[in-house]
Amino acid sequence: DARVTQTPRHKVTEMGQEVTMRCQPILGHNTVFWYRQTMMQGLELLAYFRNRAPLDDSGMPKDRFSAEMPDATLATLKIQPSEPRDSAVYFCASGLIPDGRSGANVLTFGAGSRLTVL
Amino acid sequence: QKEVEQNSGPLSVPEGAIASLNCTYSDRVSQSFFWYRQYSGKSPELIMSIYSNGDKEDGRFTAQLNKASQYVSLLIRDSQPSDSATYLCAVNAGSDMRFGAGTRLTVKP
Repeated sequence: DARVTQTPRHKVTEMGQEVTMRCQPILGHNTVFWYRQTMMQGLELLAYFRNRAPLDDSGMPKDRFSAEMPDATLATLKIQPSEPRDSAVYFCASGLIPDGRSGANVLTFGAGSRLTVL
Repeated sequence: QKEVEQNSGPLSVPEGAIASLNCTYSDRVSQSFFWYRQYSGKSPELIMSIYSNGDKEDGRFTAQLNKASQYVSLLIRDSQPSDSATYLCAVNAGSDMRFGAGTRLTVKP
């Protein structure tokens, strides 16, 4: 089965440290999403890419978060410096949208990266 | 106002009953609608998609869409304890995909 791979699965760090989460989308998928899930806020959209180009990162705190897709097999989400309020599960998801059309955007999620910032 | 809203529950139904989950959305240009199921500690997985007004059935699941009312629902017939999970409504407009906060469903034996 094709799957989205996320690393690390778990990360415990101290406030102020840099955190980098990585995602390998499904081969052939052209859209990659980063979500953050907490009990209070549910699943929040942070940023997404289509054909490696960033389309929207308005959901991210710009001063500390950055998302990149250096190649088709790797998407990264970086937090610098991390804060306790960043503690959450971060999901990467990928999907295929036919060029020029929206809709039918079925996503496959990775297993998530559980981040704890002390 | 949140873009995708769900009744947060928790919703508890007895085994064999019909569970009804509701979702409203605010963006009128939304085109595709999805229901994902998330077990505790796991990632969301797709169970239903619907693109046109009306009903769509898949086994024990029926999705209903009313674009005029900006409303989408999921019915689970003959609910089983294994259906106990959080159900997330997702709405796609353009390239993005936004989720509701989810409704936690418990099916009691």
